[in-house]
Amino acid sequence: GNSVTQMEGPVTLSEEAFLTINCTYTATGYPSLFWYVQYPGEGLQLLLKATKADDKGSNKGFEATYRKETTSFHLEKGSVQVSDSAVYFCALGRSRGGNKLTFGTGTQLKVEL
Amino acid sequence: KAGVTQTPRYLIKTRGQQVTLSCSPISGHRSVSWYQQTPGQGLQFLFEYFSETQRNKGNFPGRFSGRQFSNSRSEMNVSTLELGDSALYLCASSLVQDRGTEAFFGQGTRLTVV
Repeated sequence: GNSVTQMEGPVTLSEEAFLTINCTYTATGYPSLFWYVQYPGEGLQLLLKATKADDKGSNKGFEATYRKETTSFHLEKGSVQVSDSAVYFCALGRSRGGNKLTFGTGTQLKVEL
Repeated sequence: KAGVTQTPRYLIKTRGQQVTLSCSPISGHRSVSWYQQTPGQGLQFLFEYFSETQRNKGNFPGRFSGRQFSNSRSEMNVSTLELGDSALYLCASSLVQDRGTEAFFGQGTRLTVV
């Protein structure tokens, strides 16, 4: 079945540092890939997505590229802010459609001044 | 445009009781999915409804059930509650079922079973 392996947290960075959160997946077919973010006490918000190989999703300075050859979708940001502190989830959508998402375990990010 | 609304936000129930959670999707969205979030198991898919029909189901016991109404609102029910059912239950709505469709999440219902 489908699965997502995500970098363990927590990750603590200083403001303006570079962020990478690793995500690899196992799937049958050709899934869509997503990054969601969860702030304390809130539900999940879509951060970015990619639906085909070599697609780059981007939003709010975050980027991730769909790498089919390495089955990866790593999240990056060049300069993090304190307001980026949250839990980040990598997720995989079904290849054949339908809205079931398979999530990674989540990576907690804490950004300090 | 109103987001996904889940009610109630917080709930405390006793072991053995049953509970019903409600989700109102974004207007016009026809797909509703439910997830259970716990510190130990993370985010796990419960089920998905589209146009009042269950389209996908996760690996949960039969105590967990759901339904969707003609206005796309959805409810999930858990019977014979166990302590391990304590979790944040998240509802997500989507416009369609096409590959790559974005899911919009509600704030969740925090269920505590004592």
